Amino acid sequence: VLVTQTPSSLPVSLGDQASISCKSSKSLVHNNGITYLAWFLQKPGQLPQSLIHTVSNRFSGVPDRFSGSGSVSDFTLKISRVEPEDLGVYYCLQYVHYPLTFGSGTKLEIK
Amino acid sequence: EVKLVESGGGLLKPGGSLKLSCVASGFTFSNYWMHWVRQAPGKGLEWIGEIEYDGTETNYAPSIKDRFTISRDNAKNTLYLQMSSVRSEDTATYFCTLSARGFDYWGQGVMVTVSS
Repeated sequence: VLVTQTPSSLPVSLGDQASISCKSSKSLVHNNGITYLAWFLQKPGQLPQSLIHTVSNRFSGVPDRFSGSGSVSDFTLKISRVEPEDLGVYYCLQYVHYPLTFGSGTKLEIK
Repeated sequence: EVKLVESGGGLLKPGGSLKLSCVASGFTFSNYWMHWVRQAPGKGLEWIGEIEYDGTETNYAPSIKDRFTISRDNAKNTLYLQMSSVRSEDTATYFCTLSARGFDYWGQGVMVTVSS
């Protein structure tokens, strides 16, 4: 399954809203009705942090300025008010079809 | 507190073998699927493979299938990645991850460099 993530680079001003798109070549809806799409943030030199699972559910401790939405094969991660600690590379992941596949990443940086 | 600690990385020559370990703590290891993910220097994330709770089922990415083997020892709370016939393109940081709802926790990663 091809996962296309855009844009590859996203310059923003602090306090702005940021939006990242992730589109898959197949439906990510499992036979059980659950859609398996997740989002991660990797800050420079660090391990990935888990942000969102199953499209729109935040992992524990993730601020509510992060929100995931979408369905079937078209998904979006929104950051409502970008803060300095949000900078880094964002990845989406589809985990319903083998092999599991990550998007190519979106680098969120200061304008 | 969930902790995943990888070890066993290093420098090896093309065609060589290496076994990575990931020791888990802070959760009931035998209740969860576990995955390996890697990241080549300056590149994105690549899923390597996964193993079921009791080790009876494994799934692999095509890029490493038939060369790498994932196993686990639930008595030791440890996940393994046996790497064989390595190539220069296997040079990467290797992460183990716990999958409850979707790669919930990550280890800090271990570096593997394949070079002659």
